Amino acid sequence: AQKITQTQPGMFVQEKEAVTLDCTYDTSDPSYGLFWYKQPSSGEMIFLIYQGSYDQQNATEGRYSLNFQKARKSANLVISASQLGDSAMYFCAMRWGMTTDSWGKFQFGAGTQVVVTP
Amino acid sequence: DVKVTQSSRYLVKRTGEKVFLECVQDMDHENMFWYRQDPGLGLRLIYFSYDVKMKEKGDIPEGYSVSREKKERFSLILESASTNQTSMYLCASSRQLKGEKLFFGSGTQLSVL
Repeated sequence: AQKITQTQPGMFVQEKEAVTLDCTYDTSDPSYGLFWYKQPSSGEMIFLIYQGSYDQQNATEGRYSLNFQKARKSANLVISASQLGDSAMYFCAMRWGMTTDSWGKFQFGAGTQVVVTP
Repeated sequence: DVKVTQSSRYLVKRTGEKVFLECVQDMDHENMFWYRQDPGLGLRLIYFSYDVKMKEKGDIPEGYSVSREKKERFSLILESASTNQTSMYLCASSRQLKGEKLFFGSGTQLSVL
């Protein structure tokens, strides 16, 4: 069975510092995708970044990068130069297949609450 | 702009009532999902639909059922609401192709008294 684990329930980070949010996963499917979402206090779910299991390079989107270590089954999110607006809950999610080219379910981790301090 | 719309932002119901949560997407997505979100537990999948009238149970389907009669609409039904179903319910949709992300509705906070 697929499983996503986020071991850090919460963390404080100082403005302008980098922060790494941990995510490990478990799947026997060879084709899957890893996603990170941000949920600020408003409740909306904001997509941040995606990494496919066959992607050779780590994904980057602006200040977000994904440290993908396939052998270790980890997909950590790195936020560089934290800003006050980064304070939010962050969720790691995995999607896997119905077939090789089409995917079905998404499964989410428990989330990590990040508080950025001035 | 893509949109997933949940019919109610807040809902208060009594124990034993039948509750319908409605979700509509305007993106012609094949896949639709219902999650519940509880503090410390993240988002847990209740049901998933990959086509009209097609559904699969998620991790916590007990006490819930779903209906998808049209591609754009996915309903979550609580046959007899209980207090332990008080939660935030999130609907989401996605294209079926690999790499496609989830689009979320704004959520329904359900309180069962």
